Amino acid sequence: SQQGEEDPQALSIQEGENATMNCSYKTSINNLQWYRQNSGRGLVHLILIRSNEREKHSGRLRVTLDTSKKSSSLLITASRAADTASYFCATAPTGGFKTIFGAGTRLFVKA
Amino acid sequence: KAGVTQTPRYLIKTRGQQVTLSCSPISGHRSVSWYQQTPGQGLQFLFEYFSETQRNKGNFPGRFSGRQFSNSRSEMNVSTLELGDSALYLCASSLGGGGATTGELFFGEGSRLTVL
Repeated sequence: SQQGEEDPQALSIQEGENATMNCSYKTSINNLQWYRQNSGRGLVHLILIRSNEREKHSGRLRVTLDTSKKSSSLLITASRAADTASYFCATAPTGGFKTIFGAGTRLFVKA
Repeated sequence: KAGVTQTPRYLIKTRGQQVTLSCSPISGHRSVSWYQQTPGQGLQFLFEYFSETQRNKGNFPGRFSGRQFSNSRSEMNVSTLELGDSALYLCASSLGGGGATTGELFFGEGSRLTVL
């Protein structure tokens, strides 16, 4: 079974608007990462937040992590048509040599 | 620096056949992970190798196997193919290390397998 679950499954917004995606997970983790995937391509790493961090920024991306609620959110500000893709959260459970991916959120940004 | 290279990119097989997929990680990366991606199941972890040793394995039948060579290149094999094995198989490399933590994964473009 998957460790992370994203919400919503799909999101459609206008260019310039902000997009927020949420992720929940089940076990204790070392870190949580967000990836982007354009249709049928490989995944691209966006940002990593460690379990002892609460917020992290990278360009137009803002990630928060609440380990007490086992949840994270990804905010993309001032979205662009080029942001259209699937976004996945991924967790590295403590004690394991693997990264587990959620089901993903499909984001569509209309120009 | 060259990225992760997966070959072949596309292949078509029939039920009962076997297939071998190859992954060349980024130079200096010693950890290679494999994932199966399907519309219904999403990204499922297959296995992870570090320095030729399998450190973790996902919940897949024994028909799925892999190995890693001394140059960190990895192969995965699927025997007795079934229709449900049709998927995008993704390889990812990372620096790895001796600890249990995992960092950023660098993905290849994937091998798209179609089983007829």
